[in-house]
Amino acid sequence: GQNIDQPTEMTATEGAIVQINCTYQTSGFNGLFWYQQHAGEAPTFLSYNVLDGLEEKGRFSSFLSRSKGYSYLLLKELQMKDSASYLCAVRRGYSTLTFGKGTMLLVSP
Amino acid sequence: GAGVSQSPSNKVTEKGKDVELRCDPISGHTALYWYRQSLGQGLEFLIYFQGNSAPDKSGLPSDRFSAERTGGSVSTLTIQRTQQEDSAVYLCASSLAETGAPFETQYFGPGTRLLVL
Repeated sequence: GQNIDQPTEMTATEGAIVQINCTYQTSGFNGLFWYQQHAGEAPTFLSYNVLDGLEEKGRFSSFLSRSKGYSYLLLKELQMKDSASYLCAVRRGYSTLTFGKGTMLLVSP
Repeated sequence: GAGVSQSPSNKVTEKGKDVELRCDPISGHTALYWYRQSLGQGLEFLIYFQGNSAPDKSGLPSDRFSAERTGGSVSTLTIQRTQQEDSAVYLCASSLAETGAPFETQYFGPGTRLLVL
């Protein structure tokens, strides 16, 4: 089976930096995805890591360590619109994604 | 269309009734996925289609749940004899191909909010 853990909630201030961690246990690892989901909306793709290291995309970066079963999503220069749920998902094999329960991020002024 | 569409957007039904949920994937996407999201829970995988066949239906919670896909495009998820615990948001996603490529982003539809009274 698979086990994906991420914090339930986090709070941060506008303009700050926040790191959302995700740990996982799985066999046949074939990539880790981060999605953003605003309340009442569909998840939208943020980033993908399959090799160790940091992937940077604008204000968002994602890091992966396969040996540690660990990833984080780093959000810089936080904006109010970044308040959302952030979903960590692990791909096993060629198809299905297994999602964590998501981290609800609240950005305050 | 530009994205994945689902219908209806909301569905209220009585316990014991059957419901059908529809998903229109992005044109040209051969892979299609159904997920369920309950309050306070993560996205739960239900079934995956490659073309019209379903190589992985391991997430369907019971035999009351079934899904089909026709013409390699539209998919319907059917829940028979609905129960209150079936209340959730049912999300559909599609991706371009499933040929072993290491990176295939899944694009999600807006979901169908199902409430079973």
